[in-house]
Amino acid sequence: SAVISQKPSRDICQRGTSLTIQCQVDSQVTMMFWYRQQPGQSLTLIATANQGSEATYESGFVIDKFPISRPNLTFSTLTVSNMSPEDSSIYLCSVLRDSGTDTQYFGPGTRLTVL
Amino acid sequence: AQTVTQSQPEMSVQEAETVTLSCTYDTSESDYYLFWYKQPPSRQMILVIRQEAYKQQNATENRFSVNFQKAAKSFSLKISDSQLGDAAMYFCAYRSGNTPLVFGKGTRLSVIA
Repeated sequence: SAVISQKPSRDICQRGTSLTIQCQVDSQVTMMFWYRQQPGQSLTLIATANQGSEATYESGFVIDKFPISRPNLTFSTLTVSNMSPEDSSIYLCSVLRDSGTDTQYFGPGTRLTVL
Repeated sequence: AQTVTQSQPEMSVQEAETVTLSCTYDTSESDYYLFWYKQPPSRQMILVIRQEAYKQQNATENRFSVNFQKAAKSFSLKISDSQLGDAAMYFCAYRSGNTPLVFGKGTRLSVIA
């Protein structure tokens, strides 16, 4: 398994501001992902964080709104920019230690509320 | 694109009884993996059980087992001897190769004492 921590665990932010969420893994992993879970909904993939290069975004998500960094194999950040109330969600970091048969593990999530 | 469908938004079960959660998926891949995750109110995603598509034998983890029907693209979860701590959202998920998990919409399970 993998031990994943996220900071902050929750935050309340004002409209128009930005928040950066950190994801730290206890060991090197091959792949890191960011998901969004809107209230009462399932998980939707935002992007795959690529080490040393630009993230790969899913349809409906853009770099200007959700810039992502992954400077090494154990750490990534997701920024939610120019927030609106519609961005109120849980944001989850997820990792794959190795490709192939390995299980995808999740961090504890960051609960974001935008007023 | 792969899709995962959970047709039961909510289910309930009496404590100590058995409940089955349904999941179907659509894929053109022959080699893939299926998972059930549990999300309690703490929001932590917890792996319940996994199944490799090339394995014909259904996976089992203590009180949790699956009924994997590859031809029908069906992957149901059976929870035996249900406990109060089993109350949570349950998500069925699919993955192949290096692609990230694709989730169903989830089933909220209530356990009645």
